[in-house]
Amino acid sequence: GEDVEQSLFLSVREGDSSVINCTYTDSSSTYLYWYKQEPGAGLQLLTYIFSNMDMKQDQRLTVLLNKKDKHLSLRIADTQTGDSAIYFCAVIFSGGYNKLIFGAGTRLAVHP
Amino acid sequence: EAGVTQSPTHLIKTRGQQATLRCSPISGHTSVYWYQQALGLGLQFLLWYDEGEERNRGNFPPRFSGRQFPNYSSELNVNALELEDSALYLCASSLPGNYEQYFGPGTRLTVT
Repeated sequence: GEDVEQSLFLSVREGDSSVINCTYTDSSSTYLYWYKQEPGAGLQLLTYIFSNMDMKQDQRLTVLLNKKDKHLSLRIADTQTGDSAIYFCAVIFSGGYNKLIFGAGTRLAVHP
Repeated sequence: EAGVTQSPTHLIKTRGQQATLRCSPISGHTSVYWYQQALGLGLQFLLWYDEGEERNRGNFPPRFSGRQFPNYSSELNVNALELEDSALYLCASSLPGNYEQYFGPGTRLTVT
């Protein structure tokens, strides 16, 4: 079946790197995304990666994809208090007709 | 460039009533998606409209329906409201043939 899992909570010190992890069950993924949700707001598309890529870097964000282990990670360098939010991993599986399957979200807390 | 807009921001209805939620996509985007974010259930795909046609539907009962207008805006209708329909309803849009979905701020529906 199609399932996406994330750990629920991560706490980091300001200035450190954050690594948010995600695993998915179906190997026929096509596109994999990271979204950010701040309190009371919608979802902000941070970055995405095609399943034929291993890594993508965009300023402070680095996405790593391990297809063998069905593992996706988002690294945020130099984490700031403004990065505190819920981060969602989402996957479009092959034949999914643009349907995003979301993980439960990881709440990132950044403390001084 | 204006983002995805949704109205109303908040909607309070009584069980058994009907709710209508509206979404305007980003200019140039022809696809509109609806997702439900309910407490404890996470983000779930509801509907996908493209060029006025329903392209995909999530695992929701038929009382959840919608349509897309010639200007690509969309309406989500929920009939015979139940208490468990209380949720944040998020609309997203994408360019033709593109897999990047951009979300609006959502409509908070409360059923009492």
